Formats: sequence, C-alpha cells, structure tokens
Amino acid sequence: DQQVKQNSPSLSVQEGRISILNCDYTNSMFDYFLWYKKYPAEGPTFLISISSIKDKNEDGRFTVFLNKSAKHLSLHIVPSQPGDSAVYFCAVKAAGNKLTFGGGTRVLVKP
Amino acid sequence: EAQVTQNPRYLITVTGKKLTVTCSQNMNHEYMSWYRQDPGLGLRQIYYSMNVEVTDKGDVPEGYKVSRKEKRNFPLILESPSPNQTSLYFCASSLYMGRDYGYTFGSGTRLTVV
Repeated sequence: DQQVKQNSPSLSVQEGRISILNCDYTNSMFDYFLWYKKYPAEGPTFLISISSIKDKNEDGRFTVFLNKSAKHLSLHIVPSQPGDSAVYFCAVKAAGNKLTFGGGTRVLVKP
Repeated sequence: EAQVTQNPRYLITVTGKKLTVTCSQNMNHEYMSWYRQDPGLGLRQIYYSMNVEVTDKGDVPEGYKVSRKEKRNFPLILESPSPNQTSLYFCASSLYMGRDYGYTFGSGTRLTVV
C-alpha cells in the first residue's frame, strides 16, 4: 500500500504560467515533506521542503503548501520556465531518517 | 565538490552472475541508502545504513545485500541477479537525523539483467 501518492503522472503547462503539483499521504506521523526534481540521466536533487509544523514555505519561484487535515502537499512553480521540465517527486520523512517517495509527476513547460 | 559517486553508470549482465555497484560519498555523512526507481512506482528503498557496520532492510530488500565497512562506502551486491532487478538504482547519503534537506543522490546506475 503506497503511503505517498502523486495522482497525476504528467503535467503540461505554458511558459510563464503556474505549475501545480499535488501529493497525498496516508500517515500523519511524518515530520518533514520534501520535493525533489529529477532530470534524465541525473539523480534527484532537493528542491524545497516543509516541516509538519508549518503550512507554507517559499523559495523564489517555488512554494510548498501543506494541508495536514487533508494529508495533502502541493508544489507551486510560478512562473514556469522551460528549464523546469523534469520529473518531480514528493517525499515524506518519518523518524529514522527514511524518505518515502511518491511515483513522480513529469512536467513539460512549453515555450 | 560534495558528491555521491556511483559506479558503473550502465551495466548489462546475465541472470545469475554476481555483481557489485559501488557508492562513495565525501561529505562524512552517517546515513546512506540505496533506492531503485521503476516507472510509476517512484523510488523505493532497498537497504539503508545509519553508520559503519549498521545496516537494515528497506521496503524491497529481496535479492540484494549491502555492507558498510567504512563510513564513505556503501556497495550494493546482487548475488544472483534476475531480470526483475532490471531497474535504475540510486545511492543517497545524508546526515543522520539531519536537516530537512533530505538526501544527496548519486547520478544513478542503470542495470539490465538478461
């Protein structure tokens, strides 16, 4: 049973518009929530994270929102750029340092 | 440069032929882990290590072994590879109970077992 789900396998957006990626989780005991970005032939790289005690964290064009009551995490990218085209994974961290990942969402930003 | 180095990047092998994928990090991280990436399943943890000589199973450990004799190295061993182990493998490291930035990943090893 998947603890972390990204229900949209792909997303296409026009350059300059907003990209919204969603992630749902099942366990309320997770203490950190993270987003990773992955380009082809490279390893995932850390993008942004949020602690379970917050509901929003912003870093430049990237904002992560956490809705604990709904067990829902989202990533907003504004404005989207062609270089943002990649696969995005959400991940949750519980005690013991383990990261559990969602299935990923492939984002295509069209010029 | 702080990094996690995996070798080889690509590997094609035959069923049953033992192989080792190496992983090394230069950040003095205590925690290291192996993941495999499969379409639609994201990254699933195979094994992890919290420090030298301390290893434990992740979510999909069957058919794999690991060792942690030195802090910087964490090799993944497939004693008798099978086609269902064809996958993209990633090694990762982090400070144990570190900050919220999670792991640093290697560039990946694409393994094909025929």
